[in-house]
Parts: sequence; structure tokens; C-alpha cells
Amino acid sequence: AQSVTQLDSQVPVFEEAPVELRCNYSSSVSVYLFWYVQYPNQGLQLLLKYLSGSTLVKGINGFEAEFNKSQTSFHLRKPSVHISDTAEYFCAVSGGSNYKLTFGKGTLLTVNP
Amino acid sequence: EAQVTQNPRYLITVTGKKLTVTCSQNMNHEYMSWYRQDPGLGLRQIYYSMNVEVTDKGDVPEGYKVSRKEKRNFPLILESPSPNQTSLYFCASGWGNYEQYFGPGTRLTVT
Repeated sequence: AQSVTQLDSQVPVFEEAPVELRCNYSSSVSVYLFWYVQYPNQGLQLLLKYLSGSTLVKGINGFEAEFNKSQTSFHLRKPSVHISDTAEYFCAVSGGSNYKLTFGKGTLLTVNP
Repeated sequence: EAQVTQNPRYLITVTGKKLTVTCSQNMNHEYMSWYRQDPGLGLRQIYYSMNVEVTDKGDVPEGYKVSRKEKRNFPLILESPSPNQTSLYFCASGWGNYEQYFGPGTRLTVT
């Protein structure tokens, strides 16, 4: 069985500040890790993914995440956020034989001027 | 343009009136899946399909049916909708564990 815990349900930050959204997972099989973003009233867009190889992965819109196998974490970071980054962010894991994506409950990032 | 489409985008219906939400993808993906999104619960899988005529239950299948007669289409059927099925529904397709693409969502309200 797989599970994902997003440690913060809401993260308020000021524009141009750095941000880290935390994600921990558990799995009994090899994992593939994802971050999705959902802007208000829109669908899910893939930000970045870790499949194998380098543990630091870069995604769209200046986001990056680091896979840490020993700490079973996949935290999302951005060095300087913009108002337009206000959205809900979901961490997800797959790896089972049914290809199911198991999602965390989401982190609402609010960027204030 | 590669995409997953869903229809309708918004639907308000009454308890017990059968409805179908359509999902179509143009990327030749074998894998398709339905999720529902509820506040505070994230996204949960309803049903999935590994290929044509191969479907199976996800985590929350009660009250839903699916079919996969063609590779590109994967409709979600609610034969007797109830208020607890009020939710935001997403269809997804992809290459197994490596990446999944999501549709724009269908917001369903059952009164």
C-alpha cells in the first residue's frame, strides 16, 4: 500500500520569498513521484516528476523538488514566488501494478503582495 | 493538440436520475482512470482501465460504473446518483506509472 502526507494544508508567503512545500510518502514498492498544481477552477497540471536518476528534478515555472529515499520525502521548492503561483499543490506517488496515483490532501499556497 | 477531454464540465442533477460523464483522449494511451476530488480528501481513484475491455475498481467504486469499448473513450456512469456523489471528477490517461494527463474536470452536483 502507498500513502502520501503533505505536512502543511496551507502555506501563506509574500511575493518574491522562497517557499518549500513538504511531502512524505510510504510505499512497499519502488516509487515514482509527482507534483501537480491546480489553479482555481482548473484541472491538474504536472509540475515535475521523479522516475529515476538524479534526485534533484526541475519542473515548469521555476519549481524543483528533491527525492530523498532515506527520509522518504519529495519536497517542492521555489526560490522566489509570484502572485501567479497561488494555487493548490498535490504530491502523488505511483508504482503499483495498477498504476494508481495516490495523492496527498493538497497544500494551498497563497502568495501575498 | 494532445489532450484529455471531459463532458459535461458542469452538471446539476437530481437524486436517482442516471447520468454519464464522457472522457476521451487522443494520445493512444492504454491506461485510463477516473478520480474524484473532495475538499480535505485530495483525489481518490474510482475505477481504472488497463486496456480495452479491461477495467477494475479503485478505492471508491461504490455507486459508479465504467466501460472501455474503445481505446480512446472511458465513460463514467452513475446509474442512481445520490447527494454524496456531489464532487469534482477527473479523468486521466497515461503511460502506466510514468505520467498521467488529466482532463479539465466535471463538477457534479446531485440534489
